[in-house]
Amino acid sequence: NAGVTQTPKFQVLKTGQSMTLQCAQDMNHNSMYWYRQDPGMGLRLIYYSASEGTTDKGEVPNGYNVSRLNKREFSLRLESAAPSQTSVYFCASRRGTANSYEQYFGPGTRLTVT
Amino acid sequence: AQSVAQPEDQVNVAEGNPLTVKCTYSVSGNPYLFWYVQYPNRGLQFLLKYITGDNLVKGSYGFEAEFNKSQTSFHLKKPSALVSDSALYFCAVRVPNDYKLSFGAGTTVTVRA
Repeated sequence: NAGVTQTPKFQVLKTGQSMTLQCAQDMNHNSMYWYRQDPGMGLRLIYYSASEGTTDKGEVPNGYNVSRLNKREFSLRLESAAPSQTSVYFCASRRGTANSYEQYFGPGTRLTVT
Repeated sequence: AQSVAQPEDQVNVAEGNPLTVKCTYSVSGNPYLFWYVQYPNRGLQFLLKYITGDNLVKGSYGFEAEFNKSQTSFHLKKPSALVSDSALYFCAVRVPNDYKLSFGAGTTVTVRA
């Protein structure tokens, strides 16, 4: 049981390049989330998927798109990377049923845009 | 709108001393409150939560937190800190029937030997 996995672990992009961050969970969770972590700002929600087939914007969605490919996988795409998107990106999941509360986080992807 | 404040960027304590990390929150309605810990170059790990019931909740690694509705606080505590408790701690809040979790900015805890 690997929990939440993310690929890649590290990535360097030039301004204007595109890339997709991958996330998968093997806990049969319904809800999945993408956050970015910046120093002194905590984690900010980019997009989330309450259940398979649905996605919604979070606090900072501009410059990103997401795809909930199936119940296991939730990808984050940067179409044209900007230096302001340099950050650490975390994927998380939650069972998403009435008595499930905490989120489980992946190890993160450290992205640098030059 | 919901929000969380962690008023201290850093907390420094000696090993064996009590550790407190402060958190206050703002929500409309009843809160679900959480503490997470992040070790260097790792993802966040869940420590404990308050959903309802007893105001004192116990979690992993000997941590506990007290929910205080009148002060809108949810401070994290450990009676005797260890060097291995040195990490970044996040408080988070959401409300029932909302999927979005709001995080504080984080508090770096350093426990010196």
